[in-house]
Amino acid sequence: AQSVTQPDIHITVSEGASLELRCNYSYGATPYLFWYVQSPGQGLQLLLKYFSGDTLVQGIKGFEAEFKRSQSSFNLRKPSVHWSDAAEYFCAVAPLLTGGGNKLTFGTGTQLKVEL
Amino acid sequence: GAGVSQSPSNKVTEKGKDVELRCDPISGHTALYWYRQRLGQGLEFLIYFQGNSAPDKSGLPSDRFSAERTGESVSTLTIQRTQQEDSAVYLCASSMTSGGAADTQYFGPGTRLTVL
Repeated sequence: AQSVTQPDIHITVSEGASLELRCNYSYGATPYLFWYVQSPGQGLQLLLKYFSGDTLVQGIKGFEAEFKRSQSSFNLRKPSVHWSDAAEYFCAVAPLLTGGGNKLTFGTGTQLKVEL
Repeated sequence: GAGVSQSPSNKVTEKGKDVELRCDPISGHTALYWYRQRLGQGLEFLIYFQGNSAPDKSGLPSDRFSAERTGESVSTLTIQRTQQEDSAVYLCASSMTSGGAADTQYFGPGTRLTVL
């Protein structure tokens, strides 16, 4: 069965500092990979996704993620964090199946706190 | 043109009662998903609808859980004889396609269910 590990439950960074959130997955083949953000009182918003091709994916709000097959990782990065980035971040995977729906398997999330 | 909506936003019920949660997907989205988010955990897939096809119920935790969807419109998730472990945020998502590279799921704000 596929699984997703986000080893950092909480991360605190200073505004303007760089950020990297870790995500490792376990799956028999390369799945579809996603990062979502959940702000307080709001639904999950898709930041970016990887399906194939270039392993460095650009997303919204200045985020990017790099897929590393050899490490089964899909870490999320941002060069300079803004206070509004404080939220919970979820990594998710879905199997490479067409027509069967992308049933997402989520990690347990990383809560990001930004210090001013 | 609005996003995915869910109602109620909060529901408090007594153990043993039945509850119904509603999801209005984005107009034109053929696929609809239900997920559950327990406190401090990632989202768990519950059920997936695609058009008029038989739903994928593989994530439902017990036979107390059921869901319906009429065509490509509203869905209701019903939990019978609620238990305290059913307390969670129930999230609905919809997407334009039925999986694959083009499938982006858009999430609603969720229904927070508390079983006393």
